[in-house]
Amino acid sequence: SQKIEQNSEALNIQEGKTATLTCNYTNYSPAYLQWYRQDPGRGPVFLLLIRENEKEKRKERLKVTFDTTLKQSLFHITASQPADSATYLCAPQNSGGYQKVTFGTGTKLQVIP
Amino acid sequence: GAGVSQSPRYKVTKRGQDVALRCDPISGHVSLYWYRQALGQGPEFLTYFNYEAQQDKSGLPNDRFSAERPEGSISTLTIQRTEQRDSAMYRCASSAAKGQTLSGANVLTFGAGSRLTVL
Repeated sequence: SQKIEQNSEALNIQEGKTATLTCNYTNYSPAYLQWYRQDPGRGPVFLLLIRENEKEKRKERLKVTFDTTLKQSLFHITASQPADSATYLCAPQNSGGYQKVTFGTGTKLQVIP
Repeated sequence: GAGVSQSPRYKVTKRGQDVALRCDPISGHVSLYWYRQALGQGPEFLTYFNYEAQQDKSGLPNDRFSAERPEGSISTLTIQRTEQRDSAMYRCASSAAKGQTLSGANVLTFGAGSRLTVL
């Protein structure tokens, strides 16, 4: 069966360090992989999308990598700030537009001042 | 509308009652998704629609759960004979303005959710 695995344990890092979150998937052949941020009491908000033919994507302090051989995506936040504290969700998606989107369990990031 | 609107925001009901949760997606969005989210967990897929057609309902837990989107816009998720284990946050999301996807992918915009409590 299809599975999306993210670190279920919270990740605590010091302000200014780089946070790295992992998303592993099985029984998917995603054409895209999306990352979302979710704050307590709110719905997830889209951050970044990477395509299968892209090894890396950047947006400001965010960087995402996508390794279809390892079936893994890494999400990095450089120079982390307390405001980055949230839960981060990954969502692999098949090609074809208008497709089903399923999410991992999410990793809670806590940036300590 | 400007965003995804869900109602009611909070619903408290007694076990055995039926509930209907409504989702009003972003105007013109083709796809509409329903998720259920327990505290500390990621959104659990329930079902989704493209226009008025239900494409996948594999995530609906049992036959007490149903969803419809009769005119390809507003959707209703109905839970019949509610049970305490149905208590959760129910989230709706929409995506994909007709003819437009972000690089071919569905990027979702979520509503604020409907918190259901079954006593």
